[in-house]
Amino acid sequence: AAGVIQSPRHLIKEKRETATLKCYPIPRHDTVYWYQQGPGQDPQFLISFYEKMQSDKGSIPDRFSAQQFSDYHSELNMSSLELGDSALYFCASSRDSLSYNEQFFGPGTRLTVL
Amino acid sequence: SQKIEQNSEALNIQEGKTATLTCNYTNYSPAYLQWYRQDPGRGPVFLLLIRENEKEKRKERLKVTFDTTLKQSLFHITASQPADSATYLCALRSSGNTGKLIFGQGTTLQVKP
Repeated sequence: AAGVIQSPRHLIKEKRETATLKCYPIPRHDTVYWYQQGPGQDPQFLISFYEKMQSDKGSIPDRFSAQQFSDYHSELNMSSLELGDSALYFCASSRDSLSYNEQFFGPGTRLTVL
Repeated sequence: SQKIEQNSEALNIQEGKTATLTCNYTNYSPAYLQWYRQDPGRGPVFLLLIRENEKEKRKERLKVTFDTTLKQSLFHITASQPADSATYLCALRSSGNTGKLIFGQGTTLQVKP
Protein backbone atom coordinates (compact mmCIF):
# COMPACT_ATOMS: atom_id res chain seq x y z
CA ALA A 1 0.00 0.00 0.00
CA ALA A 2 1.16 3.53 -0.70
CA GLY A 3 2.65 5.37 2.24
CA VAL A 4 3.56 8.95 2.99
CA ILE A 5 6.66 10.00 1.08
CA GLN A 6 9.09 12.59 2.35
CA SER A 7 12.11 14.07 0.67
CA PRO A 8 14.90 14.44 1.19
CA ARG A 9 15.53 11.84 3.86
CA HIS A 10 18.63 13.60 5.09
CA LEU A 11 19.65 17.23 4.77
CA ILE A 12 22.70 19.06 6.00
CA LYS A 13 22.71 22.84 6.03
CA GLU A 14 24.79 25.66 7.43
CA LYS A 15 23.44 28.25 9.84
CA ARG A 16 21.42 31.00 8.17
CA GLU A 17 20.77 28.86 5.10
CA THR A 18 17.36 27.86 3.77
CA ALA A 19 15.83 24.39 3.55
CA THR A 20 12.75 23.00 1.83
CA LEU A 21 11.19 19.75 2.95
CA LYS A 22 8.62 17.96 0.83
CA CYS A 23 5.76 15.66 1.74
CA TYR A 24 3.56 13.55 -0.51
CA PRO A 25 0.50 12.25 1.38
CA ILE A 26 -1.25 8.97 0.83
CA PRO A 27 -3.59 9.20 -2.19
CA ARG A 28 -7.06 10.52 -1.30
CA HIS A 29 -5.84 11.88 2.03
CA ASP A 30 -6.93 15.49 2.32
CA THR A 31 -5.06 16.55 5.44
CA VAL A 32 -1.35 16.98 6.03
CA TYR A 33 0.38 17.59 9.36
CA TRP A 34 3.98 18.58 10.05
CA TYR A 35 5.73 17.60 13.27
CA GLN A 36 9.21 18.32 14.61
CA GLN A 37 10.98 15.81 16.84
CA GLY A 38 14.18 16.79 18.61
CA PRO A 39 16.58 14.19 20.02
CA GLY A 40 14.88 12.26 22.81
CA GLN A 41 11.74 14.38 22.49
CA ASP A 42 8.20 13.62 21.49
CA PRO A 43 6.89 14.91 18.16
CA GLN A 44 5.72 18.51 18.38
CA PHE A 45 3.00 19.77 16.06
CA LEU A 46 4.04 22.56 13.70
CA ILE A 47 1.28 23.17 11.18
CA SER A 48 -1.50 21.42 9.28
CA PHE A 49 -3.43 21.80 6.06
CA TYR A 50 -6.87 20.61 5.06
CA GLU A 51 -7.89 20.82 1.43
CA LYS A 52 -4.96 23.14 0.66
CA MET A 53 -5.87 25.60 3.38
CA GLN A 54 -3.97 26.02 6.63
CA SER A 55 -6.13 24.43 9.32
CA ASP A 56 -4.02 24.86 12.44
CA LYS A 57 -0.73 26.24 13.60
CA GLY A 58 1.41 25.12 16.50
CA SER A 59 4.79 26.15 17.80
CA ILE A 60 6.19 26.99 14.38
CA PRO A 61 8.78 29.78 14.20
CA ASP A 62 8.07 32.75 11.99
CA ARG A 63 11.14 31.72 9.99
CA PHE A 64 9.20 28.67 8.82
CA SER A 65 6.36 28.64 6.33
CA ALA A 66 4.44 25.89 4.65
CA GLN A 67 1.81 25.31 2.03
CA GLN A 68 -0.22 22.55 0.45
CA PHE A 69 -0.45 22.43 -3.31
CA SER A 70 -3.26 21.46 -5.68
CA ASP A 71 -1.96 17.88 -5.85
CA TYR A 72 -2.08 17.80 -2.02
CA HIS A 73 1.64 17.56 -1.56
CA SER A 74 3.05 19.94 1.02
CA GLU A 75 6.31 21.80 1.46
CA LEU A 76 7.86 23.15 4.64
CA ASN A 77 10.19 26.07 4.00
CA MET A 78 12.72 26.93 6.66
CA SER A 79 14.83 30.05 6.46
CA SER A 80 17.65 31.55 8.55
CA LEU A 81 18.35 28.11 9.93
CA GLU A 82 19.63 27.85 13.48
CA LEU A 83 21.49 25.07 15.23
CA GLY A 84 18.36 24.36 17.28
CA ASP A 85 16.44 23.51 14.13
CA SER A 86 18.35 20.24 13.86
CA ALA A 87 15.70 17.57 14.29
CA LEU A 88 13.59 14.95 12.59
CA TYR A 89 10.72 16.46 10.65
CA PHE A 90 7.74 14.22 10.08
CA CYS A 91 4.84 14.68 7.77
CA ALA A 92 1.62 12.79 8.45
CA SER A 93 -1.54 12.50 6.42
CA SER A 94 -5.10 11.52 7.17
CA ARG A 95 -8.57 11.54 5.71
CA ASP A 96 -10.42 13.94 7.93
CA SER A 97 -13.67 13.01 6.32
CA LEU A 98 -13.56 9.98 8.58
CA SER A 99 -14.83 10.20 12.11
CA TYR A 100 -11.51 9.25 13.62
CA ASN A 101 -8.08 10.65 13.01
CA GLU A 102 -5.60 7.89 12.43
CA GLN A 103 -2.53 9.63 11.09
CA PHE A 104 -0.03 7.92 8.83
CA PHE A 105 3.49 9.17 9.28
CA GLY A 106 6.22 9.40 6.71
CA PRO A 107 9.79 8.22 7.31
CA GLY A 108 10.89 11.73 8.21
CA THR A 109 13.59 14.14 7.07
CA ARG A 110 16.61 14.39 9.31
CA LEU A 111 17.82 17.98 9.21
CA THR A 112 21.26 18.77 10.55
CA VAL A 113 22.26 22.41 10.87
CA LEU A 114 26.00 22.99 11.24
CA SER B 1 -2.73 23.37 29.37
CA GLN B 2 -3.20 19.86 28.04
CA LYS B 3 -0.56 17.52 29.31
CA ILE B 4 0.23 13.87 28.68
CA GLU B 5 2.57 11.87 30.87
CA GLN B 6 4.17 8.55 30.14
CA ASN B 7 6.71 6.74 32.26
CA SER B 8 9.98 8.13 30.99
CA GLU B 9 11.97 5.26 32.46
CA ALA B 10 12.66 2.41 30.08
CA LEU B 11 10.74 -0.77 30.70
CA ASN B 12 12.81 -3.94 30.58
CA ILE B 13 11.02 -7.28 30.56
CA GLN B 14 11.72 -10.87 29.70
CA GLU B 15 10.46 -12.40 26.48
CA GLY B 16 7.05 -14.02 26.94
CA LYS B 17 5.95 -11.69 29.71
CA THR B 18 3.28 -9.02 29.46
CA ALA B 19 4.43 -5.44 29.09
CA THR B 20 2.19 -2.72 30.54
CA LEU B 21 2.71 0.93 29.65
CA THR B 22 0.86 3.82 31.25
CA CYS B 23 -0.42 7.09 29.82
CA ASN B 24 -1.92 9.77 32.06
CA TYR B 25 -3.38 13.05 30.90
CA THR B 26 -4.58 16.23 32.58
CA ASN B 27 -6.65 19.29 31.68
CA TYR B 28 -8.23 17.42 28.85
CA SER B 29 -11.24 15.34 27.92
CA PRO B 30 -10.31 13.64 24.68
CA ALA B 31 -12.83 11.96 22.45
CA TYR B 32 -10.27 9.27 21.79
CA LEU B 33 -6.72 8.24 22.49
CA GLN B 34 -4.17 6.60 20.22
CA TRP B 35 -1.03 4.53 20.66
CA TYR B 36 1.88 4.61 18.25
CA ARG B 37 5.09 2.65 17.98
CA GLN B 38 8.30 4.40 17.00
CA ASP B 39 11.60 2.79 16.14
CA PRO B 40 14.81 4.88 16.27
CA GLY B 41 15.03 7.36 13.43
CA ARG B 42 11.69 6.30 11.95
CA GLY B 43 8.21 7.76 11.88
CA PRO B 44 5.55 6.76 14.41
CA VAL B 45 3.38 3.84 13.33
CA PHE B 46 -0.26 3.75 14.35
CA LEU B 47 -1.24 0.79 16.53
CA LEU B 48 -4.59 1.28 18.20
CA LEU B 49 -7.27 3.89 18.75
CA ILE B 50 -9.76 3.77 21.60
CA ARG B 51 -12.78 6.01 21.95
CA GLU B 52 -14.05 7.60 25.16
CA ASN B 53 -17.05 5.27 25.27
CA GLU B 54 -14.87 2.18 24.94
CA LYS B 55 -13.30 0.60 27.98
CA GLU B 56 -11.05 -1.81 26.17
CA LYS B 57 -9.73 -2.51 22.68
CA ARG B 58 -7.76 -5.49 21.44
CA LYS B 59 -5.68 -6.22 18.39
CA GLU B 60 -3.77 -9.48 18.26
CA ARG B 61 -1.34 -9.35 21.23
CA LEU B 62 -2.15 -5.73 22.00
CA LYS B 63 -4.73 -4.45 24.45
CA VAL B 64 -5.60 -0.89 25.37
CA THR B 65 -7.82 0.31 28.19
CA PHE B 66 -9.22 3.79 28.63
CA ASP B 67 -10.44 5.10 31.98
CA THR B 68 -11.85 8.59 31.52
CA THR B 69 -12.46 8.92 35.27
CA LEU B 70 -8.83 8.27 36.14
CA LYS B 71 -7.73 10.03 32.94
CA GLN B 72 -5.52 7.11 32.15
CA SER B 73 -4.85 4.60 29.41
CA LEU B 74 -2.97 1.34 29.80
CA PHE B 75 -1.28 -0.38 26.87
CA HIS B 76 -0.52 -4.08 27.17
CA ILE B 77 1.59 -6.34 24.99
CA THR B 78 1.08 -9.99 25.86
CA ALA B 79 3.58 -12.74 25.08
CA SER B 80 6.16 -10.06 24.36
CA GLN B 81 8.91 -10.68 21.83
CA PRO B 82 12.30 -9.01 21.28
CA ALA B 83 10.81 -7.53 18.08
CA ASP B 84 8.42 -5.56 20.27
CA SER B 85 11.36 -3.50 21.54
CA ALA B 86 10.65 0.11 20.57
CA THR B 87 9.35 3.39 21.96
CA TYR B 88 5.60 3.55 22.43
CA LEU B 89 3.87 6.90 22.23
CA CYS B 90 0.48 7.82 23.61
CA ALA B 91 -1.29 10.56 21.64
CA LEU B 92 -4.43 12.57 22.13
CA ARG B 93 -6.26 14.55 19.54
CA SER B 94 -6.14 18.16 20.61
CA SER B 95 -9.36 19.96 21.43
CA GLY B 96 -10.89 21.63 18.40
CA ASN B 97 -11.52 20.21 14.98
CA THR B 98 -8.12 20.34 13.36
CA GLY B 99 -6.98 16.88 14.34
CA LYS B 100 -3.48 17.69 15.51
CA LEU B 101 -2.02 15.19 17.93
CA ILE B 102 -0.41 15.89 21.27
CA PHE B 103 2.09 13.19 22.13
CA GLY B 104 3.44 11.91 25.38
CA GLN B 105 7.19 11.64 25.68
CA GLY B 106 7.03 7.91 25.05
CA THR B 107 8.15 4.87 26.98
CA THR B 108 10.96 2.72 25.65
CA LEU B 109 10.33 -1.00 25.93
CA GLN B 110 13.18 -3.50 25.82
CA VAL B 111 12.24 -7.17 25.60
CA LYS B 112 15.11 -9.48 26.42
CA PRO B 113 15.32 -12.98 24.97
